[in-house]
Amino acid sequence: DGGITQSPKYLFRKEGQNVTLSCEQNLNHDAMYWYRQDPGQGLRLIYYSQIVNDFQKGDIAEGYSVSREKKESFPLTVTSAQKNPTAFYLCATKPLYPASEQFFGPGTRLTVL
Amino acid sequence: GQNIDQPTEMTATEGAIVQINCTYQTSGFNGLFWYQQHAGEAPTFLSYNVLDGLEEKGRFSSFLSRSKGYSYLLLKELQMKDSASYLCAEGHSNYQLIWGAGTKLIIKP
Repeated sequence: DGGITQSPKYLFRKEGQNVTLSCEQNLNHDAMYWYRQDPGQGLRLIYYSQIVNDFQKGDIAEGYSVSREKKESFPLTVTSAQKNPTAFYLCATKPLYPASEQFFGPGTRLTVL
Repeated sequence: GQNIDQPTEMTATEGAIVQINCTYQTSGFNGLFWYQQHAGEAPTFLSYNVLDGLEEKGRFSSFLSRSKGYSYLLLKELQMKDSASYLCAEGHSNYQLIWGAGTKLIIKP
């Protein structure tokens, strides 16, 4: 079954704890992205990666970290330094060539108590 | 700047037509995307315009004018299931998308 998986769909954590959100894809896409979405707002880019072992900060990278050790996987860690971590987190992928849209996973809703 | 502007909310009647506008003001343009997002779900791709003109896909059409930095999404024969947010996004040559805040479309019977 092809696509992008994010797990879990809902995640609860206590304030001060780090948490890692998973994103796995079997589409063989080179580029992967992490977005954050707050209620009534658009998508804001946290990090993106175009190739294995390389990634770049997006607009709101502070308090987050990522790794890209395998083409299929791009986990996002929300650290205790992120002041307002409660949000809907979306992972997306895209082939670099040809030009195409980004494909989204189902998202993880993180609530920090 | 990198502003993508679209209306916050629109209301339309089932069976009618609605046009959602989007304006952008950036350089490095590499196409204009429209996505649909139902509440609590991930965005799904609707259309992509890189050249001027109208692209038609069933009940949905998208228009682009690069000289005016303007696009619109046209939805015909509205159905209740079309109630969702519609996100406009501009593609950049570095493979990133710049997203608008989305337009929440409310369909009334």
